[in-house]
Amino acid sequence: SAVISQKPSRDICQRGTSLTIQCQVDSQVTMMFWYRQQPGQSLTLIATANQGSEATYESGFVIDKFPISRPNLTFSTLTVSNMSPEDSSIYLCSVRGAEPGELFFGEGSRLTVL
Amino acid sequence: AQSVSQHNHHVILSEAASLELGCNYSYGGTVNLFWYVQYPGQHLQLLLKYFSGDPLVKGIKGFEAEFIKSKFSFNLRKPSVQWSDTAEYFCAVNADNYGQNFVFGPGTRLSVLP
Repeated sequence: SAVISQKPSRDICQRGTSLTIQCQVDSQVTMMFWYRQQPGQSLTLIATANQGSEATYESGFVIDKFPISRPNLTFSTLTVSNMSPEDSSIYLCSVRGAEPGELFFGEGSRLTVL
Repeated sequence: AQSVSQHNHHVILSEAASLELGCNYSYGGTVNLFWYVQYPGQHLQLLLKYFSGDPLVKGIKGFEAEFIKSKFSFNLRKPSVQWSDTAEYFCAVNADNYGQNFVFGPGTRLSVLP
């Protein structure tokens, strides 16, 4: 199994500001995934972060709004830029497990934008 | 677009009652199916998965799920729930053309009364 730590666990932010969420994994992984879970809704994949290349964004998500860094095989950051109340969500970092289809998740970062 | 629906937003049961949580997906090709669970205050974790073979799959803690291809369904069952099963349950689908993307259902909150 993989142990994933996220920081911050929660934050309250002002409209128009940006916040960077950190994700640390206890093992080296090729791909890291960033998900968003809006209130009362399901998890939605934002992007896949590969070490050494640009992140791949899903439809509806753009790099200017959610820039991602992946400086090494155990760490990634997701920035939520120019935040609005609609960005209030839980943001989750995830990696694949050894078994097919298994995903390990961090505890999530709960963002509230006022 | 591919989607996953879960029949109930919130299910309340007494201990020892039987459980069935519905999950339907929209995709006509080959799919891999999963149920994830999030216990209060904990990370999302894999409960069980289906790739191929026997459509009745067994997971941890006495849970099982049945894949019915003709109904595009993957319902989760447990014959006798316990208070410790109180959690949020997410159905997820990963199809051939999803790449790295898992499509999650909106989740069903299960509350088991002691």
